[in-house]
Amino acid sequence: GAVVSQHPSRVICKSGTSVKIECRSLDFQATTMFWYRQFPKKSLMLMATSNEGSKATYEQGVEKDKFLINHASLTLSTLTVTSAHPEDSSFYICSAGDRAFQPQHFGDGTRLSIL
Amino acid sequence: AQTVTQSQPEMSVQEAETVTLSCTYDTSESDYYLFWYKQPPSRQMILVIRQEAYKQQNATENRFSVNFQKAAKSFSLKISDSQLGDAAMYFCAYRPNFGNEKLTFGTGTRLTIIP
Repeated sequence: GAVVSQHPSRVICKSGTSVKIECRSLDFQATTMFWYRQFPKKSLMLMATSNEGSKATYEQGVEKDKFLINHASLTLSTLTVTSAHPEDSSFYICSAGDRAFQPQHFGDGTRLSIL
Repeated sequence: AQTVTQSQPEMSVQEAETVTLSCTYDTSESDYYLFWYKQPPSRQMILVIRQEAYKQQNATENRFSVNFQKAAKSFSLKISDSQLGDAAMYFCAYRPNFGNEKLTFGTGTRLTIIP
């Protein structure tokens, strides 16, 4: 079945650092990828929709300059948390979909901790 | 806007028994998909079952089955012969069958299995 690979799985870094998270579709072309944020014991909150070759569509309240998304190819989308601060600490998870591939498949997530 | 409601924050069931998790949704669309995802402590999102709205027959996957009531906009998950490995957060999700295909999640139900 389809696999989505997300790296890294765990990041611990100092405040002010920029962190890049990668999301790859391994056996299908992902025209669309989604980035979610999940707070402890809460549901997944959609941050943005990433479309290959075009700008990402951000949900209301999500800072575009803080969370940079790049979807340069049909198999890779990246989320960069710029100048991260402790309040950016969270669990980030991506999913990938294709029109011919109905269920979205999720990466294993990235646990980001900013000290 | 579409909304998904899970009214049971927590549920528990005796091992080998049956439990039903509730989900209701609101949409003006007629063509859409519904999903149940399982999130164990590892936080990996695992697709449990999906239902196409145009299909009247309820989806079934081994011990997991749904009761899809389109007119009532209800989509409950039944887990039969509950096993310890079923303990997890369960999220109901909705996706329209057009556009950018983003998922709308419910708030989740934490399922505990009692040995």
